[in-house]
Amino acid sequence: NAGVTQTPKFRVLKTGQSMTLLCAQDMNHEYMYWYRQDPGMGLRLIHYSVGEGTTAKGEVPDGYNVSRLKKQNFLLGLESAAPSQTSVYFCASRRIEQGFTEAFFGQGTRLTVV
Amino acid sequence: GIQVEQSPPDLILQEGANSTLRCNFSDSVNNLQWFHQNPWGQLINLFYIPSGTKQNGRLSATTVATERYSLLYISSSQTTDSGVYFCAVHLWGGSEKLVFGKGTKLTVNP
Repeated sequence: NAGVTQTPKFRVLKTGQSMTLLCAQDMNHEYMYWYRQDPGMGLRLIHYSVGEGTTAKGEVPDGYNVSRLKKQNFLLGLESAAPSQTSVYFCASRRIEQGFTEAFFGQGTRLTVV
Repeated sequence: GIQVEQSPPDLILQEGANSTLRCNFSDSVNNLQWFHQNPWGQLINLFYIPSGTKQNGRLSATTVATERYSLLYISSSQTTDSGVYFCAVHLWGGSEKLVFGKGTKLTVNP
């Protein structure tokens, strides 16, 4: 029972490089989210998706793109990484079933941009 | 947008002490969760509690939705309880965002 799995767990990028973070969930959840966590800021929502083929902006979307081509996967892309994107990234998924909406999180990806 | 405020921001306890963490929110919600982020960074689900009271071992939580607050109680604290505790809420009325507070950092000393 894997739950929510993020790949990779750690990454170091040079400024201007691009990369994609993968989030995979095996719980058949409709909703998926990408958050970033910075010291003293809590978790802030970057983008989210309410179903396959749909995406929406969150609180801090600039510099990121996302895609949800398959229900179980939610990809977060950085086209041109900047040091300000150094952070810990968390993916989450949530089901909608008779009002029950508990969210589950992946283990996080620690990204450093130098 | 909705404001989620947690208090206190920092809490230091001796092992065996009890504590209460508070989460206030500014609008009606239909989902409230408490998470524990351990020293390794993992976010652990503690409670899904949009209303009422739940208990799990030494931890319990109460949400009073009409008064827009939730409390997390930790009894007989242990060093393994150290970490950051977050509450997160989801709004009624269409928005699908899960909004987090900034957390309470708990340190339990032996």
